[in-house]
Amino acid sequence: EAGVAQSPRYKIIEKRQSVAFWCNPISGHATLYWYQQILGQGPKLLIQFQNNGVVDDSQLPKDRFSAERLKGVDSTLKIQPAKLEDSAVYLCASSLIRTDTQYFGPGTRLTVL
Amino acid sequence: DAKTTQPTSMDCAEGRAANLPCNHSTISGNEYVYWYRQIHSQGPQYIIHGLKNNETNEMASLIITEDRKSSTLILPHATLRDTAVYYCIVRLSGGYNKLIFGAGTRLAVHP
Repeated sequence: EAGVAQSPRYKIIEKRQSVAFWCNPISGHATLYWYQQILGQGPKLLIQFQNNGVVDDSQLPKDRFSAERLKGVDSTLKIQPAKLEDSAVYLCASSLIRTDTQYFGPGTRLTVL
Repeated sequence: DAKTTQPTSMDCAEGRAANLPCNHSTISGNEYVYWYRQIHSQGPQYIIHGLKNNETNEMASLIITEDRKSSTLILPHATLRDTAVYYCIVRLSGGYNKLIFGAGTRLAVHP
C-alpha cells in the first residue's frame, strides 16, 4: 500500500514570495491533515479536512496560509506572502476515517531567507 | 485534551529493552494514549495506542497503569534504527482526532 506522498521535499524561497505544497493521501482515506513542525518542536496541526470540507482550521494563520482539498483527494497548502518564521517542515497526514490512526508523509522542508 | 510529560532524552544499548515513560495524570476516561516516533528527516510513524489494557504489536508493547495516569512504551530489543524522537499523545475518543504533540523523548540507541 502506497503511503502519503508529498512534494516538493525541499523548497527555498525569499520572504514575501509565495509557495505551495502538494499532498496525495493514502487511497481511500477520507480525512487529511496539514501540520507545521518548527525545528526542535513537535508537529502542530494547521488544518484538518473531512473529505473536501474543513473541520478544524483554528491554528491556521488565515491572513497568509490557505489550503484546499478539491474532490476530497489531493490537497494543496499555500503560503502567501511567506515570512522568515514560516521556515519549518510541513507534514501531511491522512486517516481512513475521522477517528482512525493518522499516517504521515515525509514532509516538505521550507526555508525562507 | 490531557497533557503529557516525557523525559527530554534517554539512552539505550543495542539489543536491550528501551522503556520510555510518559506521565498523563489528567487523562480522562475516554482518552486514548498514542505513541508515535519520528526518525530524523522523516514524518512521524505510528507505533501503538491503548485505552485501558496493555497492548502489544510487532513494534512495541504499551503498559498503562491501572489508574491510567502514566504509561510506558517498551521496545523489547532496541536496534540502532530505533534512534528517534518518541511522542506520547493523549487523544480524545471521537471528536476530530486532533493529535497534540509535545517535545517528545529523544532516544539514542548506541552499540
